[in-house]
Amino acid sequence: QVQLQESGPGLVRPSQTLSLTCTVSGDSINSGDYYWSWIRQRPGLGLEWIGYTYYTGTTYYIPSLKSRVAISIDKVQNQFSLKLSSVTAADTAVYYCAREPATVVAETNWGQGTLVTVSS
Amino acid sequence: EIVLTQSPGTLSLSPGARATLSCRASQSITTSFLAWYQQKPGRAPRLLIYNTSSRATGIPDRFIGSGSGTDFTLTISRLEPEDFALYHCQQHGISPFTFGPGTKVDIK
Repeated sequence: QVQLQESGPGLVRPSQTLSLTCTVSGDSINSGDYYWSWIRQRPGLGLEWIGYTYYTGTTYYIPSLKSRVAISIDKVQNQFSLKLSSVTAADTAVYYCAREPATVVAETNWGQGTLVTVSS
Repeated sequence: EIVLTQSPGTLSLSPGARATLSCRASQSITTSFLAWYQQKPGRAPRLLIYNTSSRATGIPDRFIGSGSGTDFTLTISRLEPEDFALYHCQQHGISPFTFGPGTKVDIK
């Protein structure tokens, strides 16, 4: 059974870069069946889908974050990563990584989430 | 971008009652990529339904998904105490993938 686990600093200073990694077990990140996505939930707000990477290295980001975000894939480590630059307090959120079906009809799987606080 | 609208915002019901949650899309969605999640405070969302009507692993059969085109429904046939939570719909067929704002089901 696939499992995803987020890791990274829980506190980031304003204007710095937020960096998170998602470690995947139970499936190969080199699978063409799935997108590898990041989603966040800011305090008291709904779920916000950030973007994905695909095994080919193709990425997609939501327009509102596109200038600050990068999602990359590491097939050797079976991980994918999120980098969000120039963060402000508005980027404080629980960040989730997820495996979302691309070419198959299947369940989506999420990590448990990690809280990142932007504060000086 | 496909906008998902969920109604009602809050649903106040008693245990044992039937809950009907709506998710409406701003344009037609492939049924294969419409999902429903349940979320409780401080917890990650839990997948209930994928492919519009397929129950995820371990999800009891009182959770029923249906719909097509732009209109989708999650029905909870008989509310159990553990079902009082926040419910989100999501489309993951057309980028950017999007979530609805959620329907809160609380105890009347």
